[in-house]
Amino acid sequence: NAGVTQTPKFRILKIGQSMTLQCTQDMNHNYMYWYRQDPGMGLKLIYYSVGAGITDKGEVPNGYNVSRSTTEDFPLRLELAAPSQTSVYFCASSYSLLAGEYNEQFFGPGTRLTVL
Amino acid sequence: KNQVEQSPQSLIILEGKNCTLQCNYTVSPFSNLRWYKQDTGRGPVSLTIMTFSENTKSNGRYTATLDADTKQSSLHITASQLSDSASYICVVSDRGSTLGRLYFGRGTQLTVWP
Repeated sequence: NAGVTQTPKFRILKIGQSMTLQCTQDMNHNYMYWYRQDPGMGLKLIYYSVGAGITDKGEVPNGYNVSRSTTEDFPLRLELAAPSQTSVYFCASSYSLLAGEYNEQFFGPGTRLTVL
Repeated sequence: KNQVEQSPQSLIILEGKNCTLQCNYTVSPFSNLRWYKQDTGRGPVSLTIMTFSENTKSNGRYTATLDADTKQSSLHITASQLSDSASYICVVSDRGSTLGRLYFGRGTQLTVWP
């Protein structure tokens, strides 16, 4: 049981380039999330999904896109990378709703992205 | 405005000593509060969860407390070890919508010296 896996671990992009951050979970969780973590700041929700085919915006969705074709995979797409997108990106999944008592989120190891 | 504030921002202690980290929140309506541990270069991992009716929860050397009236929580670490060096994040869930929302504190960076 690998939990939540993310690839790549590190990436450097030039301004204007695009890339996809991959996220896979093997816990059969319906709920999946993408966060970004800037130095000294709390995690901020970018996008989330409540099941295959269903996605919605979080706090900071601008400049990103997601898709959820399967329960396991939740890729995050960056179009036209900008220096403001330099951050560490975490994917997470949970068994139940965030408002539920058993809402523990399981996080991946993160992707450190630098845009120059 | 729903917020989670943690203090101190950073803390250095000697191995074997105890320490207490603080979390104040204004999130409403409150669902639960979790403490996560984030090792350098890793994703956060849940340590404890407390709902409105719980005021203490332990996980080994970690003990979390919750005062729902004053909207304060603390995480007490006993007999610290070098492996306790990490960022500790307080996360509060609301139940203001069907999905709910998580509010993350900025974390307390704990360093344990030998």
